[in-house]
Amino acid sequence: AQSVTQLDSQVPVFEEAPVELRCNYSSSVSVYLFWYVQYPNQGLQLLLKYLSGSTLVESINGFEAEFNKSQTSFHLRKPSVHISDTAEYFCAVSSWGSQGNLIFGKGTKLSVKP
Amino acid sequence: DAGVIQSPRHEVTEMGQEVTLRCKPISGHNSLFWYRQTMMRGLELLIYFNNNVPIDDSGMPEDRFSAKMPNASFSTLKIQPSEPRDSAVYFCASRPSKNTGELFFGEGSRLTVL
Repeated sequence: AQSVTQLDSQVPVFEEAPVELRCNYSSSVSVYLFWYVQYPNQGLQLLLKYLSGSTLVESINGFEAEFNKSQTSFHLRKPSVHISDTAEYFCAVSSWGSQGNLIFGKGTKLSVKP
Repeated sequence: DAGVIQSPRHEVTEMGQEVTLRCKPISGHNSLFWYRQTMMRGLELLIYFNNNVPIDDSGMPEDRFSAKMPNASFSTLKIQPSEPRDSAVYFCASRPSKNTGELFFGEGSRLTVL
């Protein structure tokens, strides 16, 4: 069975500060990893994903995440956040070749203050 | 391209009434998922379908909940009778046949049961 742990339920930061949202997973097989973002009153949108290849993946709005197999982690980082980054962020995992579903973490609410 | 389309976006009803939520997945996607999101429990998978066939409904709370997918372009989630504790945002998501695990979410249906 797979599981995802997001250690921080809320992360408040000031604008232009760096941020890291932590995600750890457990799985007995190889996985795909995802970060989704949910802005207020909207559905979840894919932010970035790791399928294979380079362990560092980036989004178009400056976020990046690094797949660390030895630490079973996929932390999300941004060097300088904006007010518009305020949202809830969900880490998720699925197993290779699985017809099963995506396992989500409980989410981290990022609050960027001026 | 049209994304996943859900209706209604908002529903307010009284306890005991029947509620039907609808979802149109992205054309060509062969898997469909229903999630429920609440403050207390976060994002919960209720049921998912592959090729219109229910695969895992272990997340459906109780017999008051039922879901159908009569064809590849339409699914319903029905609650009968509804209760105040069913108040939540219900998300539908679809996934293409080339399975990398990535889900595409609708905007959600916000249900309030008085």
